[in-house]
Amino acid sequence: ETGVTQTPRHLVMGMTNKKSLKCEQHLGHNAMYWYKQSAKKPLELMFVYSLEERVENNSVPSRFSPECPNSSHLFLHLHTLQPEDSALYLCASSQESRGQFEQYFGPGTRLTVT
Amino acid sequence: DAKTTQPPSMDCAEGRAANLPCNHSTISGNEYVYWYRQIHSQGPQYIIHGLKNNETNEMASLIITEDRKSSTLILPHATLRDTAVYYCIVRTSNTGNQFYFGTGTSLTVIP
Repeated sequence: ETGVTQTPRHLVMGMTNKKSLKCEQHLGHNAMYWYKQSAKKPLELMFVYSLEERVENNSVPSRFSPECPNSSHLFLHLHTLQPEDSALYLCASSQESRGQFEQYFGPGTRLTVT
Repeated sequence: DAKTTQPPSMDCAEGRAANLPCNHSTISGNEYVYWYRQIHSQGPQYIIHGLKNNETNEMASLIITEDRKSSTLILPHATLRDTAVYYCIVRTSNTGNQFYFGTGTSLTVIP
């Protein structure tokens, strides 16, 4: 247990569906992240929220829409996805502070787009 | 952030020390070295980090060379549960709170 939870753990959705991934951190951190990990590829950073403001959006298609209502919760809204979006989606959190920090990851949501 | 180079795979006998190398020859003075690992289909797990001095915690030891151009993660007594992909990452505190994960080293601990 890392203190970061993600739901659902597995999700199968059609290309016309709308779904949301949820992440919650119980660590009192002030930064949260979404990563994508496709099969046999490195982790790709998608979004970064710091103090509830989005500070990074790494050229992610608009069919992925993040939302950070407070410092403990992060959502990833999905709509009209493509089969190539099938991947493991990981949420992480960290405490932003001068110098050093480490990220704590959730278990991930395994997404399959049919 | 500086680029890191790691061997793609390594084997280690159970109970022996696993020594995982990482080259970061372009590291700058304010960049930290971080190590994470990812067990199959799980989220990455933080292991250890350091700047100049060697570091040790309950999971591992981190040895950083004096010129800081390379480091070694040491798992003192590898177990089967240590089989994972190990990532070496360098980052600064002033480039935003981002980690760029490469392909890492796939460590297999053999019974």
